[in-house]
Amino acid sequence: AQSVTQLDSQVPVFEEAPVELRCNYSSSVSVYLFWYVQYPNQGLQLLLKYLSGSTLVESINGFEAEFNKSQTSFHLRKPSVHISDTAEYFCAVSDRSNYQLIWGAGTKLIIKP
Amino acid sequence: DGGITQSPKYLFRKEGQNVTLSCEQNLNHDAMYWYRQDPGQGLRLIYYSQIVNDFQKGDIAEGYSVSREKKESFPLTVTSAQKNPTAFYLCASSTGVSDYGYTFGSGTRLTVV
Repeated sequence: AQSVTQLDSQVPVFEEAPVELRCNYSSSVSVYLFWYVQYPNQGLQLLLKYLSGSTLVESINGFEAEFNKSQTSFHLRKPSVHISDTAEYFCAVSDRSNYQLIWGAGTKLIIKP
Repeated sequence: DGGITQSPKYLFRKEGQNVTLSCEQNLNHDAMYWYRQDPGQGLRLIYYSQIVNDFQKGDIAEGYSVSREKKESFPLTVTSAQKNPTAFYLCASSTGVSDYGYTFGSGTRLTVV
């Protein structure tokens, strides 16, 4: 069965520094991949997704993620973080056998001023 | 605008009482989901429904019940059998095909007093 691993439960980083949030999934079969963001006391919002085509996908607020099939990874990066990026980030992978999303445990991004 | 509405945002329950959390969507989505979120534990699936009048247990269904009488509505009842109901509850919906991901509501925070 498909599983998703987010290796870091928390990532502290200084404002304006780069950041990488790691996500690995278990199956090498064709998948759809997603990153969601959750601000405090809110629901999750879709940040970006990979369905097919270019392995590098971008969001409107400067995040990007690269699909790496050989390493079964979909790491999220941002070259310069802002205090407003403080949130929890969830990686998810589609299970195409039942059309459900399999979720990682989440990574809290903590921005230090 | 289309979306998912969860109500109430905050809910307090006395021990031994059943409470019902509301989830309504106007996205014309076929599938709907209920998740429970506890600190440090990510998202845990309680129940899901892929079509009206049908629903399936998720990973932590004990102490919960749902109904899906209308496409737009998927209420969750937290029964007195749920021993530790204090948590943040999230409702989501999807087209039923996973390539577009899920849309989430803003959540209900349930506290047992």
